[in-house]
Amino acid sequence: ETGVTQTPRHLVMGMTNKKSLKCEQHLGHNAMYWYKQSAKKPLELMFVYSLEERVENNSVPSRFSPECPNSSHLFLHLHTLQPEDSALYLCASSRVLGGKYYGYTFGSGTRLTVV
Amino acid sequence: ILNVEQSPQSLHVQEGDSTNFTCSFPSSNFYALHWYRWETAKSPEALFVMTLNGDEKKKGRISATLNTKEGYSYLYIKGSQPEDSATYLCASTFPAGANNLFFGTGTRLTVIP
Repeated sequence: ETGVTQTPRHLVMGMTNKKSLKCEQHLGHNAMYWYKQSAKKPLELMFVYSLEERVENNSVPSRFSPECPNSSHLFLHLHTLQPEDSALYLCASSRVLGGKYYGYTFGSGTRLTVV
Repeated sequence: ILNVEQSPQSLHVQEGDSTNFTCSFPSSNFYALHWYRWETAKSPEALFVMTLNGDEKKKGRISATLNTKEGYSYLYIKGSQPEDSATYLCASTFPAGANNLFFGTGTRLTVIP
């Protein structure tokens, strides 16, 4: 256990479904991230929340909607996804202080399959 | 966006052999280079964070070097063991986006008993 917990571990959803991925950390970190890994591609940053405010979007489609209600929890709301959105979604957290980051820590991911 | 490349993509070695692989990154505006070890169905585990040119870090049988002028880092594993089998990822950041790690596609290492 790294201290970053993601649920569920696996998710199969239809293209018309709405689902949410959850990430939780109790490391005292103040920044949280969503990454996506598609087959044979590098990990790609989707969203960053620093001090609970979103600071980077990276042109992710609007069918992915992040939510960060507090510094310990991060959600990724999914709706009307496409089969090509099937991937591993990783959450990470870090501590940001004076513009520098410390202790970048990953969860073990949610394997998403869109059918 | 930073273009980070890793080679080889995959590698099979015999138990007891030493091995190494490469991470290449843009040398301009460099900030930090990260190495992670990622076993299947687990979280990527941080190995090293390196920032200084010529830096060398070691953790047990694993070590890494950094050349920021030419934009590469090597990861070495001495006397590979089956439990070293994993994907090894490197990631680079630049100062303005220090929270954003740009990853390579990884080197998948398999150690054959």
